[in-house]
Amino acid sequence: AQSVAQPEDQVNVAEGNPLTVKCTYSVSGNPYLFWYVQYPNRGLQFLLKYITGDNLVKGSYGFEAEFNKSQTSFHLKKPSALVSDSALYFCAVRDRGSGTYKYIFGTGTRLKVLA
Amino acid sequence: KAGVTQTPRYLIKTRGQQVTLSCSPISGHRSVSWYQQTPGQGLQFLFEYFSETQRNKGNFPGRFSGRQFSNSRSEMNVSTLELGDSALYLCASSLAAGVGSSYNSPLHFGNGTRLTVT
Repeated sequence: AQSVAQPEDQVNVAEGNPLTVKCTYSVSGNPYLFWYVQYPNRGLQFLLKYITGDNLVKGSYGFEAEFNKSQTSFHLKKPSALVSDSALYFCAVRDRGSGTYKYIFGTGTRLKVLA
Repeated sequence: KAGVTQTPRYLIKTRGQQVTLSCSPISGHRSVSWYQQTPGQGLQFLFEYFSETQRNKGNFPGRFSGRQFSNSRSEMNVSTLELGDSALYLCASSLAAGVGSSYNSPLHFGNGTRLTVT
């Protein structure tokens, strides 16, 4: 079955330290991969996406993500965390192989950046 | 450009009632999708509409239905409400023009409608 896993419910990191939010997926074809962020009482905002090409994609607010085909992972990273990065992060895939192109979201990872 | 607008922001309903949620997409966006967000389940896909046609459907019971109008605005209806339907319902629009590369267009989300069923 198609699925997206975010193994950590919460990630704590000190301000100024690098952060990583993990995402792995299981889909039948070559997916489009996305990261979204949700601030309190708000809808989700698009951060970045991977379509094809360079495995390292850069997005909004200094975030980047690394696509690893062999490990079917798409981890979100940032070199230096800010307190304002504290939010709920969702990984999502859109499966091209199945023909349905359904969006599949992970369960979310709460990032807490400590001052 | 105005963002995705969802109304109402909050709803309180009683078990057994029905409810209709509304979503106005970003101007020019023809694809609208709906999601249910709960603390334990994350985001669950409900359905997606494009040009008034349902293009995809998630694994929800038939009590959940939707439609899209010719101006791309969309409504979602839940009948015979259950306590477990309490959630944040999010609508998203995208600049999908059809098949192929349009599927990598990012979603633009509204702030959601928080439904509480008592």
